[in-house]
This record gives sequence, structure tokens and C-alpha cells, in this order.
Amino acid sequence: GESVGLHLPTLSVQEGDNSIINCAYSNSASDYFIWYKQESGKGPQFIIDIRSNMDKRQGQRVTVLLNKTVKHLSLQIAATQPGDSAVYFCAENPQINTNAGKSTFGDGTTLTVKP
Amino acid sequence: DVKVTQSSRYLVKRTGEKVFLECVQDMDHENMFWYRQDPGLGLRLIYFSYDVKMKEKGDIPEGYSVSREKKERFSLILESASTNQTSMYLCASSPGGQGNNIQYFGAGTRLSVL
Repeated sequence: GESVGLHLPTLSVQEGDNSIINCAYSNSASDYFIWYKQESGKGPQFIIDIRSNMDKRQGQRVTVLLNKTVKHLSLQIAATQPGDSAVYFCAENPQINTNAGKSTFGDGTTLTVKP
Repeated sequence: DVKVTQSSRYLVKRTGEKVFLECVQDMDHENMFWYRQDPGLGLRLIYFSYDVKMKEKGDIPEGYSVSREKKERFSLILESASTNQTSMYLCASSPGGQGNNIQYFGAGTRLSVL
């Protein structure tokens, strides 16, 4: 069945270092992936997305990499800041026109940034 | 900005009570979702709706029902609350249509069932 998993439940980095959060998915038919950030006391918020016809997408300080061969995606955060401390979720989405936009979420990785 | 509002941040209820969790979105989104979030278990989908009066079961619908009488409002109902329904409940909405899968979340309702 479908499952989306993150390799590590927690990650601790020094302020200013780069962070890499990994996610493995199992449904090879999925064609759209989203990363969300959940800060303490808030709901998850969209960070960046990527479609299966791409292998890399960049945003402001964030980059998502997609490797369809091994069904793996990662979120890279450059120059990590204390405000980046949060739980990060990857979400896998089925092919367009199916399932009313239903996503399958991973379990989340808690990123802690040390000053 | 999209705004998804959950009626309560914290709720305390007793076992056996009927509980209503309300969610309203202000962006005319087609899809709405209810999740529960528990430590180590991530986000689990309870129910979702892709149109008014339409609903579909998610991964863990047992013990819950939903209502979507108006496009902007999606209610989660615990018919007879039990202690194992103590959790954080998150509501989300998304625009729908091709490629519009990004979900916008409310701040959550932390429910305690005693």
C-alpha cells in the first residue's frame, strides 16, 4: 500500500549549517510531492512542491530534490536559522484527477537548530 | 491569504459526550479535510470532502462522522467521545482541480476526553 516515510524522526543542526531532511515514498505512480513545515502551536504550512517531471526545484533558501529511481525526495535548507526549528512533513500525491487532492503524509522530522 | 479557522483551540469533554469540531475556510476551496495528529504517528486522514454534501472516508474514520452543508464549513463529529480520541485535530482545505493539491491548515484543536 501507499506509505510515505522519513528516514529520521529528529535532526539537530548548528545555526548557519545546511540541513537535509529525507523522505522515502513507495507509490511509484505518485506524481506530485509537497513539503510542509509545522511550527509549534500551528498547523502545517506549505514550503515547496515538485512534480515528477522535475528532479530539482529551488525556493528561497530551500531546495527539493526528487529521485524517482529510488523513490526518494529530500528537503535542503541552506544556512539554517533558529526560525527553521519545526516539524517537516513530506506529502505524496496521486496522479492528477484522482482522489480529490488527497495527500499521504509522512510521519515528520523534527528539526532543532542549536544557536 | 487563505484562512482556515477552527472554532476552538482547546476542548475538554467527557467520555460519551457528542463533540462537534467546526472548521471554516474563506477561499472558496472545493476540498476539505480532517486529520488527527498524534506523537510518532504523523497526520492521519479521518474524512475528506470534495464538494458540498459529499464526503469520503479517510484512513481512520471509525468513531467519527462529518458534515458539509455549506462549501466553506466542514464539521467533524464524535458521536460518543472516548479517551482514545484525545488528540490534536487539524482541518485543511485545498482549491481542487488539476494540480491544486496544496493544503492549507487551521491551527488545530487539542481535544482531551476525560
